[in-house]
Amino acid sequence: AQKITQTQPGMFVQEKEAVTLDCTYDTSDQSYGLFWYKQPSSGEMIFLIYQGSYDEQNATEGRYSLNFQKARKSANLVISASQLGDSAMYFCAMRGVSGTYKYIFGTGTRLKVLA
Amino acid sequence: KAGVTQTPRYLIKTRGQQVTLSCSPISGHRSVSWYQQTPGQGLQFLFEYFSETQRNKGNFPGRFSGRQFSNSRSEMNVSTLELGDSALYLCASSFSGSRNTDTQYFGPGTRLTVL
Repeated sequence: AQKITQTQPGMFVQEKEAVTLDCTYDTSDQSYGLFWYKQPSSGEMIFLIYQGSYDEQNATEGRYSLNFQKARKSANLVISASQLGDSAMYFCAMRGVSGTYKYIFGTGTRLKVLA
Repeated sequence: KAGVTQTPRYLIKTRGQQVTLSCSPISGHRSVSWYQQTPGQGLQFLFEYFSETQRNKGNFPGRFSGRQFSNSRSEMNVSTLELGDSALYLCASSFSGSRNTDTQYFGPGTRLTVL
């Protein structure tokens, strides 16, 4: 069965510093996609970044990068130069062949950026 | 390109009533998924529709149903509302939903309160 684990319920980071949000996954699929979403207090889920299982390079999108370690089955999100607006819930998700391409979400990490 | 839209944004109902939520996907997207998010249970998958057919289903009682129209717009219906149905209902669309690379984009959500 597919599973996403986010072990950090909450994290604090100082403004302008970098922060890493952990995500590990479990799947028997050879081909899968990994996604990160941000959910501010308004409730909308905002897509941040995608990493394919066959991608050899780590994905980057502006201040977001995904530290993909396939052998360890981890897909950590790195946010550089944190801003106050980064305070939100962050969800890691996976989509593979199993479960007919259903998205599997983690439980989320609440990030608070301190001024 | 317009994003995913959901109506209404807020809804207050009483126990025993029924409710219908609407979701319009991004133009060209044919897959629509629905999620329920509560503080206690987190993000839970309800169902996914593709080309007017339910393709995936989560573990929710039959009181929760949905449908998709030929223009890919989707509706979700909850009958005989219970207090525990109070939640944020999120709709997400993707191009086809049948590739690992397909990214889901979420709407702003409908916040349902059952009194």
